[in-house]
Amino acid sequence: NAGVMQNPRHLVRRRGQEARLRCSPMKGHSHVYWYRQLPEEGLKFMVYLQKENIIDESGMPKERFSAEFPKEGPSILRIQQVVRGDSAAYFCASSPGIVQETQYFGPGTRLLVL
Amino acid sequence: DAKTTQPPSMDCAEGRAANLPCNHSTISGNEYVYWYRQIHSQGPQYIIHGLKNNETNEMASLIITEDRKSSTLILPHATLRDTAVYYCIVRVEDGGSQGNLIFGKGTKLSVKP
Repeated sequence: NAGVMQNPRHLVRRRGQEARLRCSPMKGHSHVYWYRQLPEEGLKFMVYLQKENIIDESGMPKERFSAEFPKEGPSILRIQQVVRGDSAAYFCASSPGIVQETQYFGPGTRLLVL
Repeated sequence: DAKTTQPPSMDCAEGRAANLPCNHSTISGNEYVYWYRQIHSQGPQYIIHGLKNNETNEMASLIITEDRKSSTLILPHATLRDTAVYYCIVRVEDGGSQGNLIFGKGTKLSVKP
């Protein structure tokens, strides 16, 4: 059973460009969570999604950031018009939902904004 | 803010048991204690979780005090590969909308040869 997959693992963008980060949950998992880890800091929750629904986006910046988890395909975290402060590691986690809620994390995407 | 308190760092000799403490004095009756670790530059790795009974798996043991205000993660025979930041997290597990994990600063465990 493959774990949570994230791609790309490393992403370099110039200021003003768009960044798209993808997350494929573990097989059978219907809940996805995105977290951000700034350099030398802890992980901070961003958004929690189920298939086609955003459940909690309280940690998501109000502008430039969006997330989706379509019926088919991976979850996407999209950052528009990136700025240097967006440089961070972005981790995705998934859980089965309903009864067992342990979250399993992917390897992360390291975004560098030049 | 995290609802747990952990020492910022600990050292452990290779082959010895590593005992990582965590205080969670405001824990609620329906909150579980979770432990994750993050090895440098990798994604957090789930270790173990429990409600009130002690738990053991292939990675570690979790000892929760009777009043549930504190717990200890035990790595029985630490290896160099166990060097990581260990996070203790309390979380409701009800399948509801409270999905997120709140990470504190954790304990940086250094296993030395």
